[in-house]
Amino acid sequence: SQTIHQWPATLVQPVGSPLSLECTVEGTSNPNLYWYRQAAGRGLQLLFYSVGIGQISSEVPQNLSASRPQDRQFILSSKKLLLSDSGFYLCAWSVEATDNEQFFGPGTRLTVL
Amino acid sequence: QKEVEQNSGPLSVPEGAIASLNCTYSDRGSQSFFWYRQYSGKSPELIMFIYSNGDKEDGRFTAQLNKASQYVSLLIRDSQPSDSATYLCAVKKASKIIFGSGTRLSIRP
Repeated sequence: SQTIHQWPATLVQPVGSPLSLECTVEGTSNPNLYWYRQAAGRGLQLLFYSVGIGQISSEVPQNLSASRPQDRQFILSSKKLLLSDSGFYLCAWSVEATDNEQFFGPGTRLTVL
Repeated sequence: QKEVEQNSGPLSVPEGAIASLNCTYSDRGSQSFFWYRQYSGKSPELIMFIYSNGDKEDGRFTAQLNKASQYVSLLIRDSQPSDSATYLCAVKKASKIIFGSGTRLSIRP
């Protein structure tokens, strides 16, 4: 069966510090991968999605970036965090061929102080 | 106009009653529709998906789709306290799934 991992689970970072969040998927090949952010009490905002290694689509202009160095690995990064980057970061995957329902990882709760 | 709209709630329903959650979407070409449940502090989990007009039932859950009205709903029968959560409606658009901001459901004993 497929599983998706995210780490760290929680993170507290100062403003201006760098960020690296990692997501890996097991049990499937060629998944579509997604990064979402959820601010407190808000819906899910799609940040990036990837249909293959090295292929990244950005949804909103921001100081975040994403990379997909391997088929089942998706990384979210920032060189300098802002207060507004605080939130619950969720990685998700879907089957490449059908690209229908998405399955979410456990999430990373980021607090920028 | 938001692409996927939901009433934020909270929607309070007595235990054992039917909870009705509603969602509208703006892109008439949307093909796939999803309902996710999210407990506080946790990630969303898929409850149901529906592609065709009409009803789709799975246990205590029924999803209803009306493409002409651009409307999706989720009915929860025999509501339990464990159903208290935020319910997210999602719509597939091209290679992306667009989420609504969710409806908070509270089941009172």
